[in-house]
Amino acid sequence: DAKTTQPPSMDCAEGRAANLPCNHSTISGNEYVYWYRQIHSQGPQYIIHGLKNNETNEMASLIITEDRKSSTLILPHATLRDTAVYYCIVNYAGGTSYGKLTFGQGTILTVHP
Amino acid sequence: ETGVTQTPRHLVMGMTNKKSLKCEQHLGHNAMYWYKQSAKKPLELMFVYSLEERVENNSVPSRFSPECPNSSHLFLHLHTLQPEDSALYLCASSQEAGAQTQYFGPGTRLLVL
Repeated sequence: DAKTTQPPSMDCAEGRAANLPCNHSTISGNEYVYWYRQIHSQGPQYIIHGLKNNETNEMASLIITEDRKSSTLILPHATLRDTAVYYCIVNYAGGTSYGKLTFGQGTILTVHP
Repeated sequence: ETGVTQTPRHLVMGMTNKKSLKCEQHLGHNAMYWYKQSAKKPLELMFVYSLEERVENNSVPSRFSPECPNSSHLFLHLHTLQPEDSALYLCASSQEAGAQTQYFGPGTRLLVL
């Protein structure tokens, strides 16, 4: 699996966009970028994934650089409920080890009023 | 709501008790997973089921016994647990086994006394 690097923590004001970066410089051609988050004491929540094109859904946007060595998750209008640990994962769509998700340290996003 | 429910949400049990955790997914997925999440430890994959057949068992002690009666339901039977088994037990599902897009339930917070 390609390794990812994320800042340990970030702050964001409520109502502003939260931009969460992830570096994955060793990503291979068939590996996707996945984002999950985990709110305290809850199960992880899938957010979005992409291969090379930018993606958007009702939760967030994913911007992947042209060389695919980094990406940014954008929460367009952060709310207090978006305070969570955000994990960036790089893996093949079929995964490895029967779908084992490997979370790194992630980024603790704190949204302030 | 992720479409994956777990009961109970909290459980306290003695080391000689027998209890069961239940998971149900309403997403029409073919694969279901049990994960263990302990404080300050990475997510640990315990079991993977694909179409009711167990396809992965990551060296989990026999005091944890999974059961998958159909593709929508997954159980984790617990007996003679140890205090170090106290953790958040998470159920997840995906369209196919191995997929990296997984939907998690809220988890069962287990305390073994």
